[in-house]
Amino acid sequence: GQQVMQIPQYQHVQEGEDFTTYCNSSTTLSNIQWYKQRPGGHPVFLIQLVKSGEVKKQKRLTFQFGEAKKNSSLHITATQTTDVGTYFCAGRAGGTSYGKLTFGQGTILTVHP
Amino acid sequence: EAGVAQSPRYKIIEKRQSVAFWCNPISGHATLYWYQQILGQGPKLLIQFQNNGVVDDSQLPKDRFSAERLKGVDSTLKIQPAKLEDSAVYLCASSLQGASYNSPLHFGNGTRLTVT
Repeated sequence: GQQVMQIPQYQHVQEGEDFTTYCNSSTTLSNIQWYKQRPGGHPVFLIQLVKSGEVKKQKRLTFQFGEAKKNSSLHITATQTTDVGTYFCAGRAGGTSYGKLTFGQGTILTVHP
Repeated sequence: EAGVAQSPRYKIIEKRQSVAFWCNPISGHATLYWYQQILGQGPKLLIQFQNNGVVDDSQLPKDRFSAERLKGVDSTLKIQPAKLEDSAVYLCASSLQGASYNSPLHFGNGTRLTVT
């Protein structure tokens, strides 16, 4: 079945440093979504990428979807303590309107002040 | 808008006992999902409903897990009998799947289950 892998599993940064997490799918995706889960909380939707090579920005966050629609990345510029949490990518299999959304294992981000 | 409601928030049971979780999705959301999140892992889809029909339950351990969504609104997830490895957070989510299959998921706060 479809597998979605994320690296790294953990990332510790000093406040102000940049952070990047990478997501790779075993199959071509119809779209990919990114979620953030704060410690003790539930996943919260950040953004969705649909088109091959798409790049979207949300303030200090930059999201990219690969040309082959099998990989994606999230880059945070100048991290802040409020960025702490686990970032998940979730890929939707292509072909059907009800394609299953498969989550990666997440990257846990710790920001030291 | 009101979010996805789940109850209970926490549950502790002994192995071989049964347990049920309840979810009320966001009003108007056609699709409802149950995910299992084991500590340190990403959410794993157990079952997906479109209105009151099941569209994916391929990862639901059907010998012990069951779920229903009567009238296409509320849903319950049951485990009977529970095993130690069922200890996890059970997340319910909903989305406006009817409008677009690109709809984001809105998660509830989850039920943290501990099986002893």
